[in-house]
Amino acid sequence: AQSVTQLDSQVPVFEEAPVELRCNYSSSVSVYLFWYVQYPNQGLQLLLKYLSGSTLVESINGFEAEFNKSQTSFHLRKPSVHISDTAEYFCAVSETPGTASKLTFGTGTRLQVTL
Amino acid sequence: KAGVTQTPRYLIKTRGQQVTLSCSPISGHRSVSWYQQTPGQGLQFLFEYFSETQRNKGNFPGRFSGRQFSNSRSEMNVSTLELGDSALYLCASSAGTSGNYYNEQFFGPGTRLTVL
Repeated sequence: AQSVTQLDSQVPVFEEAPVELRCNYSSSVSVYLFWYVQYPNQGLQLLLKYLSGSTLVESINGFEAEFNKSQTSFHLRKPSVHISDTAEYFCAVSETPGTASKLTFGTGTRLQVTL
Repeated sequence: KAGVTQTPRYLIKTRGQQVTLSCSPISGHRSVSWYQQTPGQGLQFLFEYFSETQRNKGNFPGRFSGRQFSNSRSEMNVSTLELGDSALYLCASSAGTSGNYYNEQFFGPGTRLTVL
């Protein structure tokens, strides 16, 4: 069975500073990796995903994540955060295409951006 | 296209009662998955329905059940409610194509269930 570890439950950061949210996973087979974002009182929104190919994936709002198979990591980074990035971020994994709907989530990281 | 809708958005029940939550997927999507989100356990997969059949199942007791209708709408039922069932219940829909394809999941806003 797979598992996901998000090492930081909260990450405070000043606006325009860089940020990294850490995610490590455990699985005995190949995986798909995801980052979801959840704003207050809302559902989850897919931020970016790694399925195959280039290990560096990017979102439209400046976030990027790099799949590192040897370190079993999929850390999320942004070079300059904005107040509007304040939200809960979840790393998730699924083991096979056929079970991509069966996501295993980390416990989440609360990103708090302040002026 | 309209997004995933869940009804009701908020619900208050007492221990021992049962509850039914509803999820309407994005038009054309055939797969509906349910997740439970609590502060203590985080996000946990409950089950997935595809074409009216349960395709995947998480590790929840039999008090948690679901079904899917021919129009792909899904309902989730929890019987004999316990205090620990208080949670945000999220559903997600996807095209659900089988085989070696990835189908993005789109999440609804959730139903907040409080058990007193």
